Amino acid sequence: GENVEQHPSTLSVQEGDSAVIKCTYSDSASNYFPWYKQELGKRPQLIIDIRSNVGEKKDQRIAVTLNKTAKHFSLHITETQPEDSAVYFCAASSFEGTGRRALTFGSGTRLQVQP
Amino acid sequence: NAGVTQTPKFQVLKTGQSMTLQCAQDMNHEYMSWYRQDPGMGLRLIHYSVGAGITDQGEVPNGYNVSRSTTEDFPLRLLSAAPSQTSVYFCATRAGTVNTGELFFGEGSRLTVL
Repeated sequence: GENVEQHPSTLSVQEGDSAVIKCTYSDSASNYFPWYKQELGKRPQLIIDIRSNVGEKKDQRIAVTLNKTAKHFSLHITETQPEDSAVYFCAASSFEGTGRRALTFGSGTRLQVQP
Repeated sequence: NAGVTQTPKFQVLKTGQSMTLQCAQDMNHEYMSWYRQDPGMGLRLIHYSVGAGITDQGEVPNGYNVSRSTTEDFPLRLLSAAPSQTSVYFCATRAGTVNTGELFFGEGSRLTVL
């Protein structure tokens, strides 16, 4: 099955700085890479996603880049704000043994934005 | 429109007890799944379903059973709880079955097995 590794596990930045979270995946057939944000005590929520036919996608202060050759993708947050403090999860979609696809999540990055 | 509803929110069990975590959705989503979240391990897929009458195992299915008799409901059963099943459980749904697109999560169920 798919293996997704996420780094760093914790990240502390000053308000206004940029934050970068990196993930690598093992299955070259993976074709969909979402990022979820989970605030303390809340449910995970999708913030951005990218498909394998696209190298980069932006949504205001958030961007995701994908390098299929190296099998890694990254989340970039610019001009960080205290409300960006949360745990961020990357994920990759790959085939399970049944032939159906499933999402495999990384272990998460706890981002703390210092005011 | 409630979205994805999980019950109970909190539960304490003794080793060997059984229980069912309920998940109901009113979005008419075909895909439903159960994840467990443990510190430092992210979200791991337990079981999933692409429609009524169809279920498949995920990454960590041992000790859990599921069934999907209706589009709306996808209960997760623990037949004989073990301390290793102490975790936060999330039900998640998605429109369609192609495995791309947003997963909608429930609020989570925190289970402690003593």
